[in-house]
Amino acid sequence: KQEVTQIPAALSVPEGENLVLNCSFTDSAIYNLQWFRQDPGKGLTSLLLIQSSQREQTSGRLNASLDKSSGRSTLYIAASQPGDSATYLCAVRRDYKLSFGAGTTVTVRA
Amino acid sequence: DTGVSQNPRHKITKRGQNVTFRCDPISEHNRLYWYRQTLGQGPEFLTYFQNEAQLEKSRLLSDRFSAERPKGSFSTLEIQRTEQGDSAMYLCASSKLPVGSYNEQFFGPGTRLTVL
Repeated sequence: KQEVTQIPAALSVPEGENLVLNCSFTDSAIYNLQWFRQDPGKGLTSLLLIQSSQREQTSGRLNASLDKSSGRSTLYIAASQPGDSATYLCAVRRDYKLSFGAGTTVTVRA
Repeated sequence: DTGVSQNPRHKITKRGQNVTFRCDPISEHNRLYWYRQTLGQGPEFLTYFQNEAQLEKSRLLSDRFSAERPKGSFSTLEIQRTEQGDSAMYLCASSKLPVGSYNEQFFGPGTRLTVL
């Protein structure tokens, strides 16, 4: 069974600092990995999807890397803003379903 | 297109009552998924449809749960004889058929169920 772990569980940084969020998974036979953002009481917003053949993916201030052989992904958020405060979830896909980590809750202090 | 929609957004019910949730996927998406998320945890897979066919059900989906997707469009998730342990956020997602291994899932806003 695929196990997905996200460390740390919570993170608080001052505005402007870069964020580094980690995700690890136990089964490297994945098709892709998605990073999501979830605001309190809301659904999930897809941020980035990295195919298993890719090493990284970028969108604006967000950059995600994938090292499939070691079972790790990292999400970098540059120059954090208070609006980045949310829970960030990673999910790996094998076949059709996603296996999620429990998320990292980020607070960016103004 | 406005994305995946779910109704109702919130549902409060008494233990033992039946509840039904609806999900409308993105219009051209063939695949539809249901997940359940409890507080402080990531979503867990419940079931998925390709068009109108339900292709897999998780062991999390007890006999009290049933899902349908008539005509391959919207889907409903029904919980019979609700229990307090059913309290959770129920999330629906949809995707196109994969192109190679590319298959991005898009999520709706969720239905939050509270069982008293």
